[in-house]
Amino acid sequence: GDSVTQMEGPVTLSEEAFLTINCTYTATGYPSLFWYVQYPGEGLQLLLKATKADDKGSNKGFEATYRKETTSFHLEKGSVQVSDSAVYFCALRSSGNTPLVFGKGTRLSVIA
Amino acid sequence: KAGVTQTPRYLIKTRGQQVTLSCSPISGHRSVSWYQQTPGQGLQFLFEYFSETQRNKGNFPGRFSGRQFSNSRSEMNVSTLELGDSALYLCASSAREGTNYGYTFGSGTRLTVV
Repeated sequence: GDSVTQMEGPVTLSEEAFLTINCTYTATGYPSLFWYVQYPGEGLQLLLKATKADDKGSNKGFEATYRKETTSFHLEKGSVQVSDSAVYFCALRSSGNTPLVFGKGTRLSVIA
Repeated sequence: KAGVTQTPRYLIKTRGQQVTLSCSPISGHRSVSWYQQTPGQGLQFLFEYFSETQRNKGNFPGRFSGRQFSNSRSEMNVSTLELGDSALYLCASSAREGTNYGYTFGSGTRLTVV
């Protein structure tokens, strides 16, 4: 079945450091890929998405490129801020009739 | 535009009791999904409803049930609560079918079973 594997956290970075959170997937067909973020005490917010190979999703300085050949969708940000501290989830949806499948999440802590 | 509204935000129940959680999707959204989030298991899919019909169901026991009303509002029910049911229950709505559409999540209901 469909699955998503994320790098395990926690990840601790200093402010202005470069961020990469790895995400790989297994899916049938051509899934759409998503990154969600969860701040403390809140639900999940859609951060960015990509719906076909080589698409790049971007939002708030975060980027991720849909790499079909490596089945990956790594999240990157050039310069993190303390306010980026949260849990990040990679997810996929392989068809309109299947639910969103999430990775385990990666906790990011950014220190000033 | 109002977001996805879940009520109540917090709930404490005793083992053996039953509980009903409510979710109001974004206006015009016809698809509602429910997830259970725990530190150990992460986000696990419970069920998805579209136009009052259950379209998908996750691997949970029959104590977990749900329904969707004609106005797209959804409820989920857990009967005979167990300690392991303590979790954050998240509801999400989506505007349309299709893989391109992400979900919009509510803030969740934090259920504690004692």
